[in-house]
Amino acid sequence: DTEVTQTPKHLVMGMTNKKSLKCEQHMGHRAMYWYKQKAKKPPELMFVYSYEKLSINESVPSRFSPECPNSSLLNLHLHALQPEDSALYLCASSQNVPTGEKLFFGSGTQLSVL
Amino acid sequence: GIQVEQSPPDLILQEGANSTLRCNFSDSVNNLQWFHQNPWGQLINLFYIPSGTKQNGRLSATTVATERYSLLYISSSQTTDSGVYFCAVPSSNDYKLSFGAGTTVTVRA
Repeated sequence: DTEVTQTPKHLVMGMTNKKSLKCEQHMGHRAMYWYKQKAKKPPELMFVYSYEKLSINESVPSRFSPECPNSSLLNLHLHALQPEDSALYLCASSQNVPTGEKLFFGSGTQLSVL
Repeated sequence: GIQVEQSPPDLILQEGANSTLRCNFSDSVNNLQWFHQNPWGQLINLFYIPSGTKQNGRLSATTVATERYSLLYISSSQTTDSGVYFCAVPSSNDYKLSFGAGTTVTVRA
C-alpha cells in the first residue's frame, strides 16, 4: 500500500465554523507533513511531524492546529478561518525526516472559506 | 535559500509528441524529486533522482548534479500526461523541500 488518503476531498466552511481534515498512511512512514497550495503555485510547507511529535511549524497562524494521534494518522483542525485560507491542503509522508527522502502526497482537500 | 527554476512555464503538445522539461537549481543538492500534479490535484512522485538517469515507462529523467540541472523527458505524450510538473530539491534546512514554479503541460488529442 503506497497511498496517502485524505478526507474530505472538498470542504466548504464559514468563518465561524470548526472543521477537521484527516490524513492516513499505512506505509510505516515516520514523518508526516501538511502543505498548503494556492492555485497555480507550488505547495508550501505548513507543519512537519516526526515520530508523532511536531518538529516544524512554519509560522502558521494558530487558527490551524495540527494533531498526530498515532504514527498512521494526521489531522488538521480548522477554526475561525479567513477567506484567504481557501486553498488545496495536501498531506504527505516520507520514511523519515529530513525531507531529502522521497515524499508521497495524498490527493488533497479543496477548502473554500466563505 | 536554494533557488529552483523550471522551464518552460507552459507547454502545449499534440498527442504523440515528445518533450523535455528542465529544472535548474542554484546550489549543490544530494537529491531531486519530480512530481506530476494532475488536473484533480493529485501529486504523484515520478522520480527520486540524485544523479544519473532513470526511466519509468514513457517518462525518463536525468540529473547532472555537478552542473545543477535535471531534465524530464516525456515521450509519445498522451492526454493523461496533462497537468503541472514540479521539481523539488532539499533546502539548506534539510526538513524543507524547495519547489520550482512548475511547468504546465497540456496534451491535445
